[in-house]
Amino acid sequence: ELKVEQNPLFLSMQEGKNYTIYCNYSTTSDRLYWYRQDPGKSLESLFVLLSNGAVKQEGRLMASLDTKARLSTLHITAAVHDLSATYFCAVVASGNTPLVFGKGTRLSVIA
Amino acid sequence: DTAVSQTPKYLVTQMGNDKSIKCEQNLGHDTMYWYKQDSKKFLKIMFSYNNKELIINETVPNRFSPKSPDKAHLNLHINSLELGDSAVYFCASSQWTGGNEQFFGPGTRLTVL
Repeated sequence: ELKVEQNPLFLSMQEGKNYTIYCNYSTTSDRLYWYRQDPGKSLESLFVLLSNGAVKQEGRLMASLDTKARLSTLHITAAVHDLSATYFCAVVASGNTPLVFGKGTRLSVIA
Repeated sequence: DTAVSQTPKYLVTQMGNDKSIKCEQNLGHDTMYWYKQDSKKFLKIMFSYNNKELIINETVPNRFSPKSPDKAHLNLHINSLELGDSAVYFCASSQWTGGNEQFFGPGTRLTVL
């Protein structure tokens, strides 16, 4: 059974600082997604990582995938308040199975 | 254009009542899902339908019954509501099953009193 673990689950960081959120998963997969959820809102797709070594960047966020280590990272550069949200990674085990979501990382960026 | 829509957005009801949540997607996707997000923000898949056929039915009380009249719609009916059913319910769709990127609806916040 595929398990997806994110850490940390809660993160409070100062504006301007850098930090990394980790997503580990337990079985082979070559497809991983990152979603963002603002308080009281729906989930919005951020990144789709489809192969080993994939790296995607959007603004201050950069996501990468290492399928051999079964690890994805979401790196935040020079955090700003607008990045405060909950970030989920989601992984597919194989073939016809749906995504399995991590528990989410609740990020608060403070001045 | 709204890709995945749900109604209602908020639902407040008494224990024991029966209620429905509707979901529609205009993306032409084959697969639709229902998720439950609890107060700790954990997302748990409940059901998945592919082209009107049930393909995933997680351990969910049988008071919950999904219905898909066509592949663009997936409704969720809940009988005999309980306090523990209070949560946000999200509908999602993907092009097909198999780890495809999922697009989420705005959510329905259900409060059972």
